[in-house]
Amino acid sequence: AQSVTQLDSHVSVSEGTPVLLRCNYSSSYSPSLFWYVQHPNKGLQLLLKYTSAATLVKGINGFEAEFKKSETSFHLTKPSAHMSDAAEYFCVVSDAPKAGTALIFGKGTTLSVSS
Amino acid sequence: DGGITQSPKYLFRKEGQNVTLSCEQNLNHDAMYWYRQDPGQGLRLIYYSQIVNDFQKGDIAEGYSVSREKKESFPLTVTSAQKNPTAFYLCASISRGDYGYTFGSGTRLTVV
Repeated sequence: AQSVTQLDSHVSVSEGTPVLLRCNYSSSYSPSLFWYVQHPNKGLQLLLKYTSAATLVKGINGFEAEFKKSETSFHLTKPSAHMSDAAEYFCVVSDAPKAGTALIFGKGTTLSVSS
Repeated sequence: DGGITQSPKYLFRKEGQNVTLSCEQNLNHDAMYWYRQDPGQGLRLIYYSQIVNDFQKGDIAEGYSVSREKKESFPLTVTSAQKNPTAFYLCASISRGDYGYTFGSGTRLTVV
């Protein structure tokens, strides 16, 4: 069975400092992994996805994530936080997204950015 | 532009009343999904449909119903049997063979 655990429910950083949002996953197969961002009362926007190609994945808005199979992790990072990065972030796993099977979501990490 | 349209953006339901949330996509996507979002809970799957006239229950289907009569449309009915319907509802879709899910902007349902 698939599952995903976001290790921090809330992360606070100062503008211009690095961001680290942690995610561990469990999957019986080679998973596909995603990070989505959600601003208040909005839908979800895809930041980046890992689908068994390069283990370091670059996404939009300067975010990137590294797939580490030995650690079953897919942490999201950004070198320098911006005020507009304040939002909720979801780590997501799917065993067979091409087949249309459903995504499994983590419970989310709220990122706060202070000036 | 292609995308998913959810309506209405805000919906208020009286006790004992059924309400229907609309989800329409013009992306020609095969599969469509309904998720419910509660604070601190992440997104939980209600129902999904991989082809027209077929759908499957997700983790929290009780008190909800769906239909998929057209490829573009996947409406969700919240019935009176759903005892705690106040939540944010998100619709999503994906094309078979693709990895990218597209989400609508959501409907916030409140019981009054």
